Amino acid sequence: DGGITQSPKYLFRKEGQNVTLSCEQNLNHDAMYWYRQDPGQGLRLIYYSQIVNDFQKGDIAEGYSVSREKKESFPLTVTSAQKNPTAFYLCASSMGQAFTGELFFGEGSRLTVL
Amino acid sequence: SQQGEEDPQALSIQEGENATMNCSYKTSINNLQWYRQNSGRGLVHLILIRSNEREKHSGRLRVTLDTSKKSSSLLITASRAADTASYFCAPTGNQFYFGTGTSLTVIP
Repeated sequence: DGGITQSPKYLFRKEGQNVTLSCEQNLNHDAMYWYRQDPGQGLRLIYYSQIVNDFQKGDIAEGYSVSREKKESFPLTVTSAQKNPTAFYLCASSMGQAFTGELFFGEGSRLTVL
Repeated sequence: SQQGEEDPQALSIQEGENATMNCSYKTSINNLQWYRQNSGRGLVHLILIRSNEREKHSGRLRVTLDTSKKSSSLLITASRAADTASYFCAPTGNQFYFGTGTSLTVIP
């Protein structure tokens, strides 16, 4: 079945460590996105990518990095520079131009800093 | 902030009743989307209404859009216990401006 796969579903990190969250899609979508969700807050955009080898910062990019080496893959690295990384991370994709059509989301990755 | 804002924050109804959620926003939009999120899961797209549309239906869902008031409403008719979830509006301009959501509880 077509969709977006995020892994791992749960991740624990010690302070000072970098961690990478995986996001893979087989929908042949051009645009991919990473959002962060905290309790009581809406989704906040971290990064998005329209095409391979190109990505743009969202509203809260500090402390995060991404790559887009393949159309299907958009991994997110949470670096030690992110001061409050405990959150629920959601990857999404959409057809065509970014921020036009409907978003397809993965099931999320919950990161906890110990 | 250019986020959408949903109202109410929480809503509890009996099964079979209708549920209405409202969304207000501040920026100009191309379309407005509604999403549903079950606890601990990803969001699922429900419906998209374009800025030149006033009303749209999909099954038990009815969405209205008033661009002059910068507001939208989502009506779920004949609610079911399985409708229990959080509902988010996403006014869409040069970005998706997700709100903080309405938590709907449908009591069997």
